[in-house]
Amino acid sequence: KNEVEQSPQNLTAQEGEFITINCSYSVGISALHWLQQHPGGGIVSLFMLSSGKKKHGRLIATINIQEKHSSLHITASHPRDSAVYICGSNYQLIWGAGTKLIIKP
Amino acid sequence: DTEVTQTPKHLVMGMTNKKSLKCEQHMGHRAMYWYKQKAKKPPELMFVYSYEKLSINESVPSRFSPECPNSSLLNLHLHALQPEDSALYLCASSEFGAGANVLTFGAGSRLTVL
Repeated sequence: KNEVEQSPQNLTAQEGEFITINCSYSVGISALHWLQQHPGGGIVSLFMLSSGKKKHGRLIATINIQEKHSSLHITASHPRDSAVYICGSNYQLIWGAGTKLIIKP
Repeated sequence: DTEVTQTPKHLVMGMTNKKSLKCEQHMGHRAMYWYKQKAKKPPELMFVYSYEKLSINESVPSRFSPECPNSSLLNLHLHALQPEDSALYLCASSEFGAGANVLTFGAGSRLTVL
């Protein structure tokens, strides 16, 4: 069993929908990263969070340390949000397998 | 400058070749990382340089040799690679030493070993 599990593995939605991607982990993580990777490979670090909630534009990330769970939400989704979203800990060197998101116009 | 620049973007090499991948950042970050990413898999950490010293080596084969000439530059020397080493190689940096810091990634170097 992976130490970091993401769900869903694949998600297709219509433009404008509210998106939630979940990340559960089985080990103690001091800081959780959310990464976005577009086709072609470039990775953007979206969030690093240790507690609570962070917001950047239409993206919101939450983490519950006690429950070892984090969520990434996208409001008013847009086709340019189509990417693979990866959660994990750089410090503990563990990453989820990623969630492939496709937003259809 | 808020970027991590990787060169070359694409590299094709034979199994007997010697080549290098280069990574550069001018943000004053003190930790730099090499990752290997196979298709549809998350990135796998290969090396971390923290304050120009190699701090983590994740059991990477010796045909990959990292070098950190100064705090802005990170190289990955490649020699006698195998076709299974074909992958996207990503460089990243973070402000302080390796750990719970925000990562800035380069666009990657896509390597094909024939």
